Amino acid sequence: DAGVIQSPRHEVTEMGQEVTLRCKPISGHDYLFWYRQTMMRGLELLIYFNNNVPIDDSGMPEDRFSAKMPNASFSTLKIQPSEPRDSAVYFCASSFLPGPGEVSTEAFFGQGTRLTVV
Amino acid sequence: TQLLEQSPQFLSIQEGENLTVYCNSSSVFSSLQWYRQEPGEGPVLLVTVVTGGEVKKLKRLTFQFGDARKDSSLHITAAQPGDTGLYLCAGGKGYQKVTFGTGTKLQVIP
Repeated sequence: DAGVIQSPRHEVTEMGQEVTLRCKPISGHDYLFWYRQTMMRGLELLIYFNNNVPIDDSGMPEDRFSAKMPNASFSTLKIQPSEPRDSAVYFCASSFLPGPGEVSTEAFFGQGTRLTVV
Repeated sequence: TQLLEQSPQFLSIQEGENLTVYCNSSSVFSSLQWYRQEPGEGPVLLVTVVTGGEVKKLKRLTFQFGDARKDSSLHITAAQPGDTGLYLCAGGKGYQKVTFGTGTKLQVIP
């Protein structure tokens, strides 16, 4: 398997424009996560899905952010309109459901999308 | 609010030295993971600890989970340049709700 695939790797856009980040999770994984990483705030969980259903979006900063998972092999994170403070590296990760007796599983991360809003 | 504080934030050492990174919280976690992240890449899992007092070894890396499951440490013996990277602890409270720590940036100088 190629791992979690994110696109684009880099995105530079002007303030006010719509930005769409894409993610293809590892086949067979039950969970998909969107994270944002900045120097100031570290790695923050934005939203996660279980079997394509959004479970917790409490980390989404505001209504300008939205995420969808139309099927098990694709997810998008959209920012509309974008602002300079949205500049960050956005990671997508996926994982299996923990097995019996397990309390957690490994999250496999993509290489991230570096977003710059000017 | 950052629930997991790591220290130190930055560490620059010579090859062959030993070091310890700490991950502290006032919350109890059901599990704690350590990840390493290299520039331009996503974090990669190193280890998961789930039992208070648990110690796990991964070659020159030793991970310990505090007895109360609120803190953890990572000790590296005889650091190598390949150990350079950002080390992140991550606390789990339930299956997939994971909070990442503030991170420790390690540089090992040859």
